[in-house]
Amino acid sequence: SAVISQKPSRDICQRGTSLTIQCQVDSQVTMMFWYRQQPGQSLTLIATANQGSEATYESGFVIDKFPISRPNLTFSTLTVSNMSPEDSSIYLCSVEVGGVYEQYFGPGTRLTVT
Amino acid sequence: GENVEQHPSTLSVQEGDSAVIKCTYSDSASNYFPWYKQELGKGPQLIIDIRSNVGEKKDQRIAVTLNKTAKHFSLHITETQPEDSAVYFCAAGLLGIHAGKSTFGDGTTLTVKP
Repeated sequence: SAVISQKPSRDICQRGTSLTIQCQVDSQVTMMFWYRQQPGQSLTLIATANQGSEATYESGFVIDKFPISRPNLTFSTLTVSNMSPEDSSIYLCSVEVGGVYEQYFGPGTRLTVT
Repeated sequence: GENVEQHPSTLSVQEGDSAVIKCTYSDSASNYFPWYKQELGKGPQLIIDIRSNVGEKKDQRIAVTLNKTAKHFSLHITETQPEDSAVYFCAAGLLGIHAGKSTFGDGTTLTVKP
């Protein structure tokens, strides 16, 4: 298994600003994922982050809006840039545990943009 | 790409009754079918998964069945308890490096009435 923490747990931000969300895992993992979950809805994958390489973004998500860093095997950040109210969501970090192919999620960061 | 449909969207049962949630998927290549439970204010938690080489898997009060021919899989919870109340998500994907890129259903809100 894996224990994942995220910071901040929630934030209220002004339109046009940026927020960086941190994800810390208690063990080394190869694959980390960032998801968005809009209120009352399902999970949508934003991007996949491998250590030492550029993140891979899903359709509809671009690096300029959601830059991701993956400096080592236990940490990643997601930045939500130039925010608008439509970016209000829960952002979730997830990891895949190697060898068992199980996916674990962090507690999420609840973002409100005003 | 993969498309996952989940039914019902809401489900209310009496404590002690059984609950069944059903999902269908579109991509016959999918071979990994996890189920997640998401409690209010928390990230999704993996509760059980099934892989395409088995038709059924059970873990105490929870069981999953898979019909690859019909491309559907189901979650069965027996002897439901109030603490089972949560949003449940099914997902379909590929094992290996793609397990973390599973496609999620829209979720089922389960309410267990005491």
